[in-house]
Amino acid sequence: GAVVSQHPSWVICKSGTSVKIECRSLDFQATTMFWYRQFPKQSLMLMATSNEGSKATYEQGVEKDKFLINHASLTLSTLTVTSAHPEDSSFYICSASNWGNTDTQYFGPGTRLTVL
Amino acid sequence: AQKITQTQPGMFVQEKEAVTLDCTYDTSDPSYGLFWYKQPSSGEMIFLIYQGSYDQQNATEGRYSLNFQKARKSANLVISASQLGDSAMYFCAMREYNNNDMRFGAGTRLTVKP
Repeated sequence: GAVVSQHPSWVICKSGTSVKIECRSLDFQATTMFWYRQFPKQSLMLMATSNEGSKATYEQGVEKDKFLINHASLTLSTLTVTSAHPEDSSFYICSASNWGNTDTQYFGPGTRLTVL
Repeated sequence: AQKITQTQPGMFVQEKEAVTLDCTYDTSDPSYGLFWYKQPSSGEMIFLIYQGSYDQQNATEGRYSLNFQKARKSANLVISASQLGDSAMYFCAMREYNNNDMRFGAGTRLTVKP
């Protein structure tokens, strides 16, 4: 299957700082990338969908000014958690797809964010 | 509205036996895809199997098979000859082609006993 990487795999930051998470599709061009959030022992909740070169579409209840998403190229999307607070601590997972060639979404390994 | 339902929070199976994980879904879109992912304790999401709404035959991938009953809107995952390494969370997901995104069920934690 296709390979998607995320960086960093874990991060600890102080409250009020911003954190950027990168998601890269390593061996295919991702026309669409997705960002999910997962709390312990819960399912994945879709935060936003981004298509290369256009603005991300955010799910209801997700603050677009707090969770900035950039999908500048077909292989890279970034999620920036601005002014992070302890309640933002979570497992963030990205996924990538090229709907023209496959129906499958391929997931990154996830980033565990802890805000102190 | 919840579109993907996994009614089994946890399941136990004896090693080498088969197990069925339930998944039902709800959609009015005639074109959709159904997916199963495995999430071990490391957190990565591992793609297991895919079934398209127009596929005539049930999908199979090695020890994984998908029991697709379209009229009942169910897409159960069958794991044959369970192995200890199969212990993980399993998520059913659906993509409606009109929406272009994927929604997940609550997950089922499978524990394989030696």
